[in-house]
Amino acid sequence: GAGVSQTPSNKVTEKGKYVELRCDPISGHTALYWYRQSLGQGPEFLIYFQGTGAADDSGLPNDRFFAVRPEGSVSTLKIQRTERGDSAVYLCASSFGGLGEQFFGPGTRLTVL
Amino acid sequence: GENVEQHPSTLSVQEGDSAVIKCTYSDSASNYFPWYKQELGKRPQLIIDIRSNVGEKKDQRIAVTLNKTAKHFSLHITETQPEDSAVYFCAAYDNDMRFGAGTRLTVKP
Repeated sequence: GAGVSQTPSNKVTEKGKYVELRCDPISGHTALYWYRQSLGQGPEFLIYFQGTGAADDSGLPNDRFFAVRPEGSVSTLKIQRTERGDSAVYLCASSFGGLGEQFFGPGTRLTVL
Repeated sequence: GENVEQHPSTLSVQEGDSAVIKCTYSDSASNYFPWYKQELGKRPQLIIDIRSNVGEKKDQRIAVTLNKTAKHFSLHITETQPEDSAVYFCAAYDNDMRFGAGTRLTVKP
């Protein structure tokens, strides 16, 4: 079956703009995770959904970041008033249940000019 | 929260030699420890994982050991091949996943 997909693959925006990043998890996976990966670093946890609800959003850096998963499948990560420091690859992963192998999407490379 | 440290940050070995990467974690409640391989420009992919009720797990040339008392776990790759060259990440899971900073492994032919 299809793996985790993310759109867009690349996003270039200007400082102060709003962006939305989309993640389509593997069908049937109840858990969905967002990570941010900067060059030379490991994925940094942002938020974890179990179904429609955010089970843990402790990794969101500040209130400019918000994520939703209204129907328990597709998720959108929203970043308001983007800053140059937000530039990174944003990775999404899904798993069947909370404890188990996470399958990663290809990521969205966000560049804030 | 959980803090995962990974060493070394870079590792270079000769083809056929073994490679060992070590990680420590801080949260004793963590109960799942996966290892991911990430090639340049690609997504992380799981290569092996271990749960807290197991001390060692092996899959062909790859093995992982876990010492819960000391809160550390290690990845062992034997008979390394050039295709093993990549960045390897350890992670620890307790309600959410925390990753180490990665080890760039280079296998020289």
